Amino acid sequence: RKEVEQDPGPFNVPEGATVAFNCTYSNSASQSFFWYRQDCRKEPKLLMSVYSSGNEDGRFTAQLNRASQYISLLIRDSKLSDSATYLCVVNEDNYGQNFVFGPGTRLSVLP
Amino acid sequence: ETGVTQSPTHLIKTRGQQVTLRCSSQSGHNTVSWYQQALGQGPQFIFQYYREEENGRGNFPPRFSGLQFPNYSSELNVNALELDDSALYLCASSPRPTSGVTKNIQYFGAGTRLSVL
Repeated sequence: RKEVEQDPGPFNVPEGATVAFNCTYSNSASQSFFWYRQDCRKEPKLLMSVYSSGNEDGRFTAQLNRASQYISLLIRDSKLSDSATYLCVVNEDNYGQNFVFGPGTRLSVLP
Repeated sequence: ETGVTQSPTHLIKTRGQQVTLRCSSQSGHNTVSWYQQALGQGPQFIFQYYREEENGRGNFPPRFSGLQFPNYSSELNVNALELDDSALYLCASSPRPTSGVTKNIQYFGAGTRLSVL
C-alpha cells in the first residue's frame, strides 16, 4: 500500500463547479498535512496547510480526519486558473523530515 | 516567488556520467530537502540537510549524495547516471521549527530537469 494515495483523476469540470479531492495516508503518526498545487512543468506551490479543525481560504476548504487518516480539499466556484495538479502532502514529524507526496490529482476547469 | 533558486534549469547527460545540481535556499532557511519527480508522479523524497549534515534520507541508492554549505546552499550529486534518473529534481527549503511550532512548510525552487540519454 502506498503511503499517500489520492483520487486518480483527471477531473474535468465546468467553470463554476464545486470539486472535491480525497487523500488517504497510511502512517498514523503523521503530524502535518498540506495541499500543494503544481502547474504543468512548474514547481509545487503551497496551497494551504490542513488543520485538525478544518480550515478555509476563500474558495478552498480543507478537512482532516485523523481517525480515518483522510484529508480532503474542496474547491468552490472553480475558475479556469484552478487548472493544475493538486498534491496531498503528509509530514511524519514536525522537524521537516520526510515530506511524503501523493501522486497528485489533475484538475482541468473547462470554459 | 519563493526565493529558492536552482541551477541549471535543464541538463542532458548520458548513462554512466555524473551530475551536480545546485540549490540556494530562501533567506533565513537552514534546512534543504531534495526531491525527484518523474513524469506523472508526485515528488519523491531523496534526502534533507540541516546545518550541513544529512537529516533524513528516502529510498535512494548511495550514488545519490549531497552537501550543504555554511550559507545553507546545497548540492545534489548523482553518480553513474541511469536512464531512470531522468526526472525533475526539486529543492525545497524550510526554517528549522523551534519549540511550539507545529508546521514546517517547505518552499520549492523551480527545479532542474535532467534528461539521461
